[in-house]
Amino acid sequence: EAQVTQNPRYLITVTGKKLTVTCSQNMNHEYMSWYRQDPGLGLRQIYYSMNVEVTDKGDVPEGYKVSRKEKRNFPLILESPSPNQTSLYFCASSLKFARLAGGDEQFFGPGTRLTVL
Amino acid sequence: RKEVEQDPGPFNVPEGATVAFNCTYSNSASQSFFWYRQDCRKEPKLLMSVYSSGNEDGRFTAQLNRASQYISLLIRDSKLSDSATYLCAVNKADSWGKFQFGAGTQVVVTP
Repeated sequence: EAQVTQNPRYLITVTGKKLTVTCSQNMNHEYMSWYRQDPGLGLRQIYYSMNVEVTDKGDVPEGYKVSRKEKRNFPLILESPSPNQTSLYFCASSLKFARLAGGDEQFFGPGTRLTVL
Repeated sequence: RKEVEQDPGPFNVPEGATVAFNCTYSNSASQSFFWYRQDCRKEPKLLMSVYSSGNEDGRFTAQLNRASQYISLLIRDSKLSDSATYLCAVNKADSWGKFQFGAGTQVVVTP
C-alpha cells in the first residue's frame, strides 16, 4: 500500500531532551516536507527536500533539523525541544516538486502529536 | 497580514445546498494552487488542484482569480460527508518547494 508513515504518532517529552520523528514513504517520491499545525495558524512548512541530500528551509525552521540521506526517509530532529514546539506535525511527499507550471499532489502522513513539557 | 487567508467559518450548510468560500493570497507571483480536505486533525488529503481555467470534479468546482488574488471552492448538492475543514495551499513561484497553507474553512453540513 502506498503510504507515508510517521513515528511516533504521539510523544510527550521534556524540555531539552533531543528527539527524532521519523518519516518514510514507499512511493519513490523525490519531494518530502515537514509541517507543523497549530490552532488558528494552519499548516506551516518547517523544511523540505527536493531530493536526496537537498534540503531547504520552510517558513518556520528555527529549532529543527532535517536530513535526507535516502530517498524514502526524511527525519525531523529537535535537538533541544521547547514548549513552543508542542504541535501536530505532518510529513508529506510528492512525486516531484514541480510539474509544468505547478507543484504536485502531496501525500501526508498520519501526523505526530508532540507535547513538550 | 497572513500570506494565505481563509474565512475560518463555520459555514453551516443544509444537506443538498450549495456552499462556496474563498482563499486569498498575497504573493502575486504564486503559480500553483490546491484545495485540501482535513477531517478532525487527521492528515490533509488533496481535494483538487486549481488551474487557471478553473476545474470541476463532480460536485466540486475550483476557480482561480489572479486579478483579485484568490481561489474559490464551490460544493454543490452538499452531503453530510462533506463536513470537514478545507485548506487552501499556495506554492511560491520563486521557490518551488515552498508551500503555504491557509488556516482552513470549516464546513458543517446539517441534515
